[in-house]
Amino acid sequence: AQSVAQPEDQVNVAEGNPLTVKCTYSVSGNPYLFWYVQYPNRGLQFLLKYITGDNLVKGSYGFEAEFNKSQTSFHLKKPSALVSDSALYFCAVRGGGGADGLTFGKGTHLIIQP
Amino acid sequence: GAVVSQHPSWVICKSGTSVKIECRSLDFQATTMFWYRQFPKQSLMLMATSNEGSKATYEQGVEKDKFLINHASLTLSTLTVTSAHPEDSSFYICSARLPSGQGYNSPLHFGNGTRLTVT
Repeated sequence: AQSVAQPEDQVNVAEGNPLTVKCTYSVSGNPYLFWYVQYPNRGLQFLLKYITGDNLVKGSYGFEAEFNKSQTSFHLKKPSALVSDSALYFCAVRGGGGADGLTFGKGTHLIIQP
Repeated sequence: GAVVSQHPSWVICKSGTSVKIECRSLDFQATTMFWYRQFPKQSLMLMATSNEGSKATYEQGVEKDKFLINHASLTLSTLTVTSAHPEDSSFYICSARLPSGQGYNSPLHFGNGTRLTVT
């Protein structure tokens, strides 16, 4: 069975500082990894994905994520945080075995302080 | 592009009644849609996979007779919560994936969710 771990319930970052939201995964076969953001009472918005190729993936709103196969991690990063980045972030994985639906981590609240 | 519309955005109903939630793909055809449930401060739990023209595939522990899913067309899937009880109160989110011809690993596109409150 595939799983995703987001070890931090909440991450606090000062505006302008770099941010990292951690994610590790467990899956059989090649992983297909995604990051989504959720604002209050809204659905999820796609940020970026890793399927194959370069380990550093660039996505929406200046976010990027680095795939590390040896550490089974896919941490989300941004060089300079904005207050508007404050939201709930989900890491998700789809297993290479053909499982169609995504398995989500529990989510990490990102709080950017002015 | 790839917009998923979910309706209603919120609904309050009395215990024992049924509620229908619609999920539409507005600008693409979705042979597969997914229904998730999200509890407060928790992650999304996949409830079922909705396949156009066939029966939905439910995840373990999800009551098929309780949560009826119909995917009658390539652009519409519905979730009906039957005989709703207060413990069914939750945030329900649908999602759809672009057809396989456009990439199996294309991201899921999500509706804005439906807040169900059963009194």
